[in-house]
Amino acid sequence: AQSVAQPEDQVNVAEGNPLTVKCTYSVSGNPYLFWYVQYPNRGLQFLLKYITGDNLVKGSYGFEAEFNKSQTSFHLKKPSALVSDSALYFCAVKSNYQLIWGAGTKLIIKP
Amino acid sequence: EAGVAQSPRYKIIEKRQSVAFWCNPISGHATLYWYQQILGQGPKLLIQFQNNGVVDDSQLPKDRFSAERLKGVDSTLKIQPAKLEDSAVYLCASSSPGTADFNSPLHFGNGTRLTVT
Repeated sequence: AQSVAQPEDQVNVAEGNPLTVKCTYSVSGNPYLFWYVQYPNRGLQFLLKYITGDNLVKGSYGFEAEFNKSQTSFHLKKPSALVSDSALYFCAVKSNYQLIWGAGTKLIIKP
Repeated sequence: EAGVAQSPRYKIIEKRQSVAFWCNPISGHATLYWYQQILGQGPKLLIQFQNNGVVDDSQLPKDRFSAERLKGVDSTLKIQPAKLEDSAVYLCASSSPGTADFNSPLHFGNGTRLTVT
């Protein structure tokens, strides 16, 4: 069965430190990978996507993500976290015309 | 560009009552989605429209949920009768269609938070 896993329900990072939010997937064929962010009482906002090409993709708000085919992972990263990055982050994978969502990771950045 | 508009933002109803949500997608976006997001979970696709045709409604509980997209623009999602487990945020999203934009990102509205008591 096709699936997306975000193994951490919550990630805590001190402001200014690097952050990583993990995502792994299990799909057939070539995946198309996405990250979205959701702030409280708001809809989801697109951050970045990987379709093909360079394994490191850059997105909005200084975020980037690294596609690793052998590990079937697409981890979200940022070199220096801001308090305003605190939100819920969702990984999604498109395969066979279906968009499969992870359960989300709550990111908390402490001053 | 104006974003995806949804109304109402909040709705509280009793079980067995009916409720309707409205969505106006971004101008020119032919693909429209309705998602259900239960607290602590990722979004669950209820229905996907391409213009005014249904592409995927495999996870829509058709005995109580219905959706329409007349004229291929605005859309309405209805629940009748509501159950306690329908308490969730209902998100509308839109995206550009076409082969080249197959992987274009979804643009979400702010959602409608439904509480069924």
